[in-house]
Amino acid sequence: DQQVKQNSPSLSVQEGRISILNCDYTNSMFDYFLWYKKYPAEGPTFLISISSIKDKNEDGRFTVFLNKSAKHLSLHIVPSQPGDSAVYFCAASEVNGNQFYFGTGTSLTVIP
Amino acid sequence: KAGVTQTPRYLIKTRGQQVTLSCSPISGHRSVSWYQQTPGQGLQFLFEYFSETQRNKGNFPGRFSGRQFSNSRSEMNVSTLELGDSALYLCASSIGQGSGYTFGSGTRLTVV
Repeated sequence: DQQVKQNSPSLSVQEGRISILNCDYTNSMFDYFLWYKKYPAEGPTFLISISSIKDKNEDGRFTVFLNKSAKHLSLHIVPSQPGDSAVYFCAASEVNGNQFYFGTGTSLTVIP
Repeated sequence: KAGVTQTPRYLIKTRGQQVTLSCSPISGHRSVSWYQQTPGQGLQFLFEYFSETQRNKGNFPGRFSGRQFSNSRSEMNVSTLELGDSALYLCASSIGQGSGYTFGSGTRLTVV
């Protein structure tokens, strides 16, 4: 049972435009969410996180939005750059949890 | 500081064999988690160790086992390999509960 879902396997965006990656979850006990970026032949690298007490967190070009009532989070990348082309995973954990649940990933391609 | 180190990077094994993968976490990180990544399945949680104790286990058969040593290094073992075990195995370390992960580059296991 997939508790974290990324329903778009792939996304293509023009360079300079906004990329929006979406993630839905089913477990209402999740309270900490992260986004990871993964290049081929490398492990995932941490991008940005958000806890349930906030609905938005920004870090440079990356902003994560959390809608707890809809059990939905999204990652916005503005402006998108070709180097952002990678697979993006969202992940969630419960309060004081020691396991993260990952989505299946969205492959982002930024077209120059 | 050194990142999470996984060895070997690549491995080819025959069905029925067993394999041991190794992970050295970031210095000071006491939690080590293992994930299996296959196409279309995202990252599937295998288990998590903290201070040599397995705290959590994912939904994998008993052929998958692990352990953690006093220096926080961890090993993962898969016995009686099956073709479906071919995957990228990722190790991640963290300081503890509620903290995000730092991933290693993974071990690509191919079972033939």
